[in-house]
Amino acid sequence: DIKMTQSPSSLSASVGDRVIITCRASQSISNFLSWYQQEPGKAPKLLIYAASSLQSGVPSKFSGSGSGTDFTLTISSLQPEDFATYYCQQNYSPPYSFGQGTKLETK
Amino acid sequence: QVKMVQSGAEVKKPGASVKVSCKASGYVFTSYFIHWVRQAPGQGLEWMGRVNPSGGSATFAQNFQDRVTMTRDTSTNTVYMELSSLRSEDTAVYFCAKDEIGSGYTYWGQGTLVTVSS
Repeated sequence: DIKMTQSPSSLSASVGDRVIITCRASQSISNFLSWYQQEPGKAPKLLIYAASSLQSGVPSKFSGSGSGTDFTLTISSLQPEDFATYYCQQNYSPPYSFGQGTKLETK
Repeated sequence: QVKMVQSGAEVKKPGASVKVSCKASGYVFTSYFIHWVRQAPGQGLEWMGRVNPSGGSATFAQNFQDRVTMTRDTSTNTVYMELSSLRSEDTAVYFCAKDEIGSGYTYWGQGTLVTVSS
């Protein structure tokens, strides 16, 4: 099974900041990597698919990069609505594992 | 538009089974796999498995291999996830999600809270 490791597990930032979240796969997954944002009590929301493709309707402040085993999610110019938990998921082979999550909190 | 509507919250005793439904609409039901993901209180997302609505075949995470069944009803565009031998650790919100063919899940159900308590 492929293990996904996210870092950091929590992150404190201020409105206007730029933050980077990383995700590492235990083996190569090519570009089969998705990023989700989850607010408390809600279903996750797809932000990025295929490692760097922006999901329709998602602001361009969100960007993804990487291939193989190392990936990043960058969020620029943080706004209050961006403070949430973010997950990566590999879509390469089952079980389609998630990272443990990164909670983005207000500093 | 695409919708995934799940059944309501359940309370079960340890050792019992639970069956959660997910009714899909707004797209060709048999063209896309549906996945199940759960989230225990305060915890992360855990992939449970997926079902192919076309043929009915399913793939499960090893953690659930012996306890989970995923089925579908093409006459009502509904998939079902049944988890047996419930224990307190199975208390979680269970989500269904539409697979965009290797590109993540755009559409999710609203989640079904399953509480396991004696």
